[in-house]
Order: sequence, then structure tokens, then C-alpha cells
Amino acid sequence: GDSVTQMEGPVTLSEEAFLTINCTYTATGYPSLFWYVQYPGEGLQLLLKATKADDKGSNKGFEATYRKETTSFHLEKGSVQVSDSAVYFCALRSGGSYIPTFGRGTSLIVHP
Amino acid sequence: GAGVSQSPSNKVTEKGKDVELRCDPISGHTALYWYRQRLGQGLEFLIYFQGNSAPDKSGLPSDRFSAERTGESVSTLTIQRTQQEDSAVYLCASSGGVAGGTDTQYFGPGTRLTVL
Repeated sequence: GDSVTQMEGPVTLSEEAFLTINCTYTATGYPSLFWYVQYPGEGLQLLLKATKADDKGSNKGFEATYRKETTSFHLEKGSVQVSDSAVYFCALRSGGSYIPTFGRGTSLIVHP
Repeated sequence: GAGVSQSPSNKVTEKGKDVELRCDPISGHTALYWYRQRLGQGLEFLIYFQGNSAPDKSGLPSDRFSAERTGESVSTLTIQRTQQEDSAVYLCASSGGVAGGTDTQYFGPGTRLTVL
């Protein structure tokens, strides 16, 4: 079955540091890939997505590239802010499926 | 409303009691999902509604769990004879119901259930 593996957290960074959160997946066919963010006390929000190989999703300074050859969708940001502190979830949906598969989430803590 | 809403935001109950959780999806969204999020874990799919089709209940962990949705409106998730292992955040999401895997889900803030 489909699965998503994320790096374990928490990831602790200083403000303006470079961020990478690794995500790899296994899936049948050609899934769509997503990153969601969950701020404290809130529900998940879609951060970015990519629907085919080599697509790059980007939003709010975050970006991730759909790498079919390495089955990865790593999240990056060049300069994090304190306000980026949240839990980040990688997810996929196989083509034609209506039920997504989520990773366990990675907590990011950014210090001033 | 502007987004998905859920109530109550917090629920504390005693083991063995029944609880009912409510989800109001975004108006016009035909698809509705319930998930369970245990502490430090990912999202666990519970049930999916799409329009007037029969729901996909494949994620419900036991027969103590049930959910209803009337048309494309409010949904309720009911847990009977709650157990301590049911303690979790229950998340609801809705989407436009577009096929092909690219549909964006919009999540509510969740209901934090604590079973004593």
C-alpha cells in the first residue's frame, strides 16, 4: 500500500537558517504530493502541492520538487522565521484515489 | 461560513460514555472526511462521504465508531462506550470532490477528545 516517511522531529533552527524536511514515499502509479502545515491550535492547511514528476510546488517561501527517480518530495525554505514554527505533514494521493496518505508530521521550532 | 468548523473544540468524557462530534463543511463541498490524530502520530483516515453515495467506512477502527451526513451538509461522528485509547484529536476536512487525486482538502481545527 501507499506510505509516506518523514524525518523525525523536532527540528530546531535559529531564525534565518535554511530548512530541509525530508519526505519519501511509496505509491502505485503516479501520485499527487502535498505538504500541509499545522500551526498550534489550528487545523491543517495546504502549503503546496505537485501533481507530476519534476513539478515544483511553492508558497510562502517554501518549495518542494516532485522527484520520481528518488520518490521524494523534500520541503525547503531558504530563511525560516519564528512564525514558521509548526508541524509539517507530507502526504500523497494516488491517481484516482480520494483518500490521502499522510506522514507522521515533523515539528519545526524556530528560535529568535 | 468561510471555513470548516468543528464542535466542540474540546471534550472530556468518562470511559464508557458516548460522545458526538460535529463537523460543518464548507458550503458546496461534496466530499467530507474524518481523521483521527493521536499524539505524535500522523492522520489516520476514518470515513469518507461523497455526495449521496454510500460512505467509505473502511477506516473506522471498531463498531463503536459511526458517522452520518445528510446530503452535503453537517456530519456527526459518534463514538459509543468510549475507551481511553479513543483519546485523540478528531479532524474533519471537506473538498470539492474533484476526482484524480489533485483535490485540495480544507481542514477544521479539530475536536480534542480526552477519555478519563
